[in-house]
Amino acid sequence: QKEVEQDPGPLSVPEGAIVSLNCTYSNSAFQYFMWYRQYSRKGPELLMYTYSSGNKEDGRFTAQVDKSSKYISLFIRDSQPSDSATYLCAMRDTGGFKTIFGAGTRLFVKA
Amino acid sequence: DAGVTQSPTHLIKTRGQQVTLRCSPKSGHDTVSWYQQALGQGPQFIFQYYEEEERQRGNFPDRFSGHQFPNYSSELNVNALLLGDSALYLCASSWTSNPTEQYFGPGTRLTVT
Repeated sequence: QKEVEQDPGPLSVPEGAIVSLNCTYSNSAFQYFMWYRQYSRKGPELLMYTYSSGNKEDGRFTAQVDKSSKYISLFIRDSQPSDSATYLCAMRDTGGFKTIFGAGTRLFVKA
Repeated sequence: DAGVTQSPTHLIKTRGQQVTLRCSPKSGHDTVSWYQQALGQGPQFIFQYYEEEERQRGNFPDRFSGHQFPNYSSELNVNALLLGDSALYLCASSWTSNPTEQYFGPGTRLTVT
């Protein structure tokens, strides 16, 4: 079993839709939870990160962490064609330096 | 302010050869991590360098080695290349005081034939 599971998609939505991206994990030691966006042939770009449980909002993006269920989500409101990319969840424990990534979900937003 | 830069952009090597990839971190960053990203997969942690020392290593064989220089730039070396080493190699930099905020470079695409 992988430490971080993420549905690879692809996920196709119309412009303006609310997008929900999710990851589950097995390691209860994870405390830092990150979301990256990766465009084709580019390096990942950090969108936002949270520590422990709770919600965090940044513009059209909202990250949620439910540690009791070992489940994290990223919501994108008013999705745009420019949001079409691969979204990677990532996690790290407090004492370590290794970041574990999910496989990424490919998102297509149709105009 | 230059972000993370990597060279070369693309590389084609033959099985058994050796390769060196280079990374310059974002200005002010002192920590460099290397990742391998196979097609359709998320990045896999290879190792992290801080103060010119390997601080943590992922599940990669000793054929993968690295170095960090006093100016914080870094190299990744892979010996005895295998076909399975074909991937995008990503470098990420951060401040040691905030390891969660990692900035990635564009990567080096390595093809082993």
